[in-house]
Amino acid sequence: AQKVTQAQTEISVVEKEDVTLDCVYETRDTTYYLFWYKQPPSGELVFLIRRNSFDEQNEISGRYSWNFQKSTSSFNFTITASQVVDSAVYFCALIYNDMRFGAGTRLTVKP
Amino acid sequence: DTEVTQTPKHLVMGMTNKKSLKCEQHMGHRAMYWYKQKAKKPPELMFVYSYEKLSINESVPSRFSPECPNSSLLNLHLHALQPEDSALYLCASSQPLGGRHNEQFFGPGTRLTVL
Repeated sequence: AQKVTQAQTEISVVEKEDVTLDCVYETRDTTYYLFWYKQPPSGELVFLIRRNSFDEQNEISGRYSWNFQKSTSSFNFTITASQVVDSAVYFCALIYNDMRFGAGTRLTVKP
Repeated sequence: DTEVTQTPKHLVMGMTNKKSLKCEQHMGHRAMYWYKQKAKKPPELMFVYSYEKLSINESVPSRFSPECPNSSLLNLHLHALQPEDSALYLCASSQPLGGRHNEQFFGPGTRLTVL
């Protein structure tokens, strides 16, 4: 069975703070893919990153960075110097033969 | 063009109505998906089409009927819906030959209200 856990239901920060969104997954598959999506108030899901199970390199894209650790089955997402436009619901998802989204973390960045 | 479009944006229907949701993509993707998302919940997969053929039906009630007329279009026909079917309906597409393990690109959704 595959499962994705995002334990943080809601996070509120003040602009320019750094924030980390946690994602823990469970799978018996050796090959799988992990994703992060952003869902702003407009409703559209925006793809942020894909990582496959064989690639544990961390990635940085501008203010966004991702820390993938197979040893702890975690795929955490950090936003550096947060901005109001980062306010959204963020979903972690796991895919192999099935696609499972975590429950989502609602991030509010206050000015 | 990396867009998935969905129409209408909003739909209000009665329980006896018949309506359709439409989704279109022009990225050459050969897998298309319908998801249902209730408020404050993650998206739930409903249907998957791969190469215009239905490959996954996640035990969705027959009052929802998907159709894939060609590789760019995906419809969801609605009939005799219940108020609990009110939700955001999201369409997505992904690259060919990868099916569900490739990143999916989502449309803006249709917000459906059933009265």
